[in-house]
Parts: sequence; structure tokens; C-alpha cells
Amino acid sequence: QKEVEQDPGPLSVPEGAIVSLNCTYSNSAFQYFMWYRQYSRKGPELLMYTYSSGNKEDGRFTAQVDKSSKYISLFIRDSQPSDSATYLCAVNTGGFKTIFGAGTRLFVKA
Amino acid sequence: SQTIHQWPATLVQPVGSPLSLECTVEGTSNPNLYWYRQAAGRGLQLLFYSVGIGQISSEVPQNLSASRPQDRQFILSSKKLLLSDSGFYLCAWGKGVGADTQYFGPGTRLTVL
Repeated sequence: QKEVEQDPGPLSVPEGAIVSLNCTYSNSAFQYFMWYRQYSRKGPELLMYTYSSGNKEDGRFTAQVDKSSKYISLFIRDSQPSDSATYLCAVNTGGFKTIFGAGTRLFVKA
Repeated sequence: SQTIHQWPATLVQPVGSPLSLECTVEGTSNPNLYWYRQAAGRGLQLLFYSVGIGQISSEVPQNLSASRPQDRQFILSSKKLLLSDSGFYLCAWGKGVGADTQYFGPGTRLTVL
């Protein structure tokens, strides 16, 4: 079993839709949860960072962590064509090793 | 502000040839430095990390090695490339542990033929 599972997609939505991206993880020791956005042929950029359970909002983006079910989500409101990218979830126990999901490819159609 | 550089951007090398990829960070001191490889359809695989000059931790046994000759310089090397070394190589820097959110460079796309 992989430590982090993420549906690779692709996920295609119309402009303005609410997007839900999800990951599951297996190790309850993970305490830090991140979402990265990666445009084609570019390095990932940090979008959201959450410690432990709960919600965190930043503009159109909301990150949600449910430690009881080992489930993390990223919601994008009012999606834009510029949101088209691959979204990577990532988890960390508090050490140097961050585990990344395989990424979900998102296409937002104008 | 901090900036991370990687070069070259793309590289095509024959099997058995040596490799040297370089990463430098500007605007911060004593960063944690990381090398990742990203294969198509797969997540980022941590290869090496370093918490200081000359301090290298290896996560995956393979024919790659890393060195940190200066505080903000990280080098990934190989003496003889394999076909399986092809991929997108990313350097990242961070500060701290746990809350060590990592900031990635632009990457090097390596094709071994």
C-alpha cells in the first residue's frame, strides 16, 4: 500500500466550477499536510500548508484535513483556466522526508 | 527574496556517460537542500537531502550521489547513467523540520538514450 494515494485524473471542469481534489494516506503519524501546484514542465509551488486537522482558506482555495479518516482535500472555488495544472498532495511526520502523491491533472475549460 | 536556480534545463545523455546537475539558492543561509526525481505519472521521489555543508543523507540506493560543497550549492552526480535514470530532477530548499515547507527550482529534464 502506498503511503499517499491520489487519483491521477485527468479531471476536466468548466470555468467557474468548484473543484474537489482528494488524497488518502495510510500513516496516522503524519502531522503536516501540503498541497502543491505544478504547471507543465515546471517545478511544484506550494499552495497550502496545514498542521493537524481542520480547514484552512486562502482566497479561492480551501484545504481540509480529516485525520480520523486519513483524508485530505483541496477545494478550488470559481475555477479559472489558469488553474489548469497538476495538483500534488504531500504529507510529513515532522522530519525531513515529505511524501508526495502522484498528482491529479486538472483542466479548466473556458 | 529567495531564488533557486537549476541547470541545465534539459539534458540528453547516452547510457554510461557521467552526470552533473547543479542547484544554487540565493537569499537565504543554511537552508535544507533536497534532490527529487519525478517520473511520468508518479509522485516526487526524494533522492537526497542535506542539512549542512558536507552532510548528505541518501533515501534511495542507486547509482546517483550528491554533494554540498558550499552552503547554498547542491550537486547531483552519476559516474555512469542508466536508462532508468531518465526523469525530471528537482532541487528544493527549506528551513526547519516539519514546518519545512519546500520551495522547488525549475527542474532539469534528463533523457538517457
